[in-house]
Formats: sequence, C-alpha cells, structure tokens
Amino acid sequence: DGGITQSPKYLFRKEGQNVTLSCEQNLNHDAMYWYRQDPGQGLRLIYYSQIVNDFQKGDIAEGYSVSREKKESFPLTVTSAQKNPTAFYLCASKAKGEGQFNQPQHFGDGTRLSIL
Amino acid sequence: SQELEQSPQSLIVQEGKNLTINCTSSKTLYGLYWYKQKYGEGLIFLMMLQKGGEEKSHEKITAKLDEKKQQSSLHITASQPSHAGIYLCGAPLPGYGGSQGNLIFGKGTKLSVKP
Repeated sequence: DGGITQSPKYLFRKEGQNVTLSCEQNLNHDAMYWYRQDPGQGLRLIYYSQIVNDFQKGDIAEGYSVSREKKESFPLTVTSAQKNPTAFYLCASKAKGEGQFNQPQHFGDGTRLSIL
Repeated sequence: SQELEQSPQSLIVQEGKNLTINCTSSKTLYGLYWYKQKYGEGLIFLMMLQKGGEEKSHEKITAKLDEKKQQSSLHITASQPSHAGIYLCGAPLPGYGGSQGNLIFGKGTKLSVKP
C-alpha cells in the first residue's frame, strides 16, 4: 500500500545532541513538508521541499535542518540549537496537480520527540 | 492574530446528536481542507472545498464553503464514538506560501462523543 512512513514513533534527545527523524513516501509525490505540533498551537511549518535537491524554510526553521537527496525521502534533523524540541512532528507529502490548490497533503503517523 | 480561527475549541456531544464545527478566515480562501486527527496519530484527509457555495459529503460528514469564501463549516449528522478526535481546517493563504501549495492550519476542534 502507498503511504508515508515516519520513524521512529518515539524519540528521546539528550542535551547537546542532534537527532534525525525519518520520513519516507512511496506515493511518487513531488512536494514534502515537515510540521511541528504543540498542544493548543496547531501545526506550524518547519521546512518544505517542492522538488529533489531543493527546500525552503517555513515559519519555524531555526534549530532544524533537512535534506532532499531522493524524491522518496525528506529527513529532518533537530539540532542542539533547538532549545525546546519537545513536540509531535508530522511529515506530509503532496502530488503535483493542475493547480496548487487541488491536491491535498497526506500525512504520516508522526514522531513524538522528548528531552531526556 | 490567528489567520484561521476554529470554533468551538472543544465539543462534547451525546451519541446520535448533530454538531457543527466552523473555520473562519479574514482573507478569501482559495481552497479549504478538512482533516481529522486521533490523539498521537497523523492527520487523515476528509474533504477539500474550492468554490464558493460548494458542499461535499462523505458518509455522515458534510462540509460547506460559504459564498464569500471566508468561512467553512463541518457538520456531522447522528454522531458516533468513531467520530471522536480533533478536526483541523487548513488553507493556502497569501503571504504564507499559499501560492506554492503551503497550508496554514487552524488550532483544531476536539470532539468527544459520549455513548
């Protein structure tokens, strides 16, 4: 079945440590996204990529980094510069449609990151 | 200010009752997406609306976009425990990468259905 796989489901970070969250899709989607979800705050965009080898910062990119070397993969690294990383992280992907507004984003099941 | 305002923030209904969730924007909406989320899980796509006055239904859930394209409502008929979860609206908005397909999301409405 086609879908978006995020791993791991739970992740713990020590002080000063970088951690990488995996996101893989087999939907042949061009665009991929990373969101952060905090209680009561909704989803906030961290980074997005419309095409392989290209990505742009979202609203809260500080302390995060991404790469898009393959169409299927869009890993997110939470660096030690991110002082408040505890959150639920969601990856999404979207097909290229006739217009930007007629294709929904599809989401993975998320990774919950906590500080040790 | 919140670009997409959802109301109510939370809702508790008795099984079998109807309910409505609203999503309001101060700007014209060029597309509106409704999603459902179970706690600790990803978002599940429900419906997409694009045209003013458009209405779509799936099983017992109906979504509408008003003629002015600034408000959408999600209506659930004869609610069931399986409808419980968080409902989020998302929209591409100018100034937030909307022209590139990026979405702004409301904060969500938490629905509980009492058996």
